[in-house]
Amino acid sequence: DTEVTQTPKHLVMGMTNKKSLKCEQHMGHRAMYWYKQKAKKPPELMFVYSYEKLSINESVPSRFSPECPNSSLLNLHLHALQPEDSALYLCASSQDGGTSTDTQYFGPGTRLTVL
Amino acid sequence: AQKVTQAQTEISVVEKEDVTLDCVYETRDTTYYLFWYKQPPSGELVFLIRRNSFDEQNEISGRYSWNFQKSTSSFNFTITASQVVDSAVYFCALSGVMNTGFQKLVFGTGTRLLVSP
Repeated sequence: DTEVTQTPKHLVMGMTNKKSLKCEQHMGHRAMYWYKQKAKKPPELMFVYSYEKLSINESVPSRFSPECPNSSLLNLHLHALQPEDSALYLCASSQDGGTSTDTQYFGPGTRLTVL
Repeated sequence: AQKVTQAQTEISVVEKEDVTLDCVYETRDTTYYLFWYKQPPSGELVFLIRRNSFDEQNEISGRYSWNFQKSTSSFNFTITASQVVDSAVYFCALSGVMNTGFQKLVFGTGTRLLVSP
């Protein structure tokens, strides 16, 4: 059983909506990640939080806004998305993110459709 | 720059056949880690194995085995006696540290394995 949970599993939203994706990990990890995955492609890194601070933003448009309320929770706030933002959004966590030795554990993902 | 190549886009086998998924990587780092993840149709990426660059011993876990060869920069994955439940996309990934000091996983493009009964 995965120890990284994501809600909702599926989300359909219009371009003017505001919604949030939620991720929670129960492994005591201090690094958390958001990835975007388009069909038949590998995951692409969006954001990295380490010790609750945003450490990496891979040039993601401002319509995606991450938030890390505490070390176990990670949110992704969505606003004014475009149809091309439809994808599987994966959350992951790892020990601390600061070394190449970390293993990232992924959640089940949220399938987002933007109409 | 780091790169992972999975040349096999899709492989189809019949149940009980053995299948090998290839992974070739490029890196200038002397210390690095390699990973395999499984992504079933449900979408979750499931961690299978991590190897470090100093450990070239092959590893076996049940029906799964991994062959790491530094000389050819390859980290291949073999499933013995495949089962329908093995049907998934398999990603090979290379771990490095960005110049910001944080880990980045470089994924291959994935190999879709279809096991039919």
